[in-house]
Amino acid sequence: ETGVTQSPTHLIKTRGQQVTLRCSSQSGHNTVSWYQQALGQGPQFIFQYYREEENGRGNFPPRFSGLQFPNYSSELNVNALELDDSALYLCASSLVAGGQNEQFFGPGTRLTVL
Amino acid sequence: GDSVTQMEGPVTLSEEAFLTINCTYTATGYPSLFWYVQYPGEGLQLLLKATKADDKGSNKGFEATYRKETTSFHLEKGSVQVSDSAVYFCALTGGQGAQKLVFGQGTRLTINP
Repeated sequence: ETGVTQSPTHLIKTRGQQVTLRCSSQSGHNTVSWYQQALGQGPQFIFQYYREEENGRGNFPPRFSGLQFPNYSSELNVNALELDDSALYLCASSLVAGGQNEQFFGPGTRLTVL
Repeated sequence: GDSVTQMEGPVTLSEEAFLTINCTYTATGYPSLFWYVQYPGEGLQLLLKATKADDKGSNKGFEATYRKETTSFHLEKGSVQVSDSAVYFCALTGGQGAQKLVFGQGTRLTINP
């Protein structure tokens, strides 16, 4: 069974640029959630995708957007990057969207905005 | 909205010491409660969970009891090891809708031999 994978591992961008982060969910999981973890803080929920539709969103502006593909992999896109977007971005997959199903996390993508 | 408050770190202990990391929460309804651990350079791993009041979650010698009356979910371990050094996060999910995890700020634990 393959776990959650994310790419790239590290990324450096400049302010105003756009970035795309990728996540492959664990085998058999149809739900993907994205979190932003600033240095020294707990992760903050960005949004969740279930069967290719957004299924809940945290307090993040519209320049944070996402996609989920038929194979349940997912992308996080961030436009007009700001310095405060520098963080570890974590992807988590789970079997179903609701209930008490465990979320399995990937290793994260560390984004640095200069 | 829902929130989680953890004891501030960092926490430094000697090997075989007793560990307590405090966690309290604010939530509407009946949340499920979790402890996640993050080892250096890795993603989050679920350590234990409890889904209703008075449940005790346990794993790898760690325990936490869901206390509805005190809205707490303190993490304990009787004898810590150097390999337990990591950042520990308390978290909750509400009972409805998207399974959004709400995390505390994390507690960095260092165990010295």
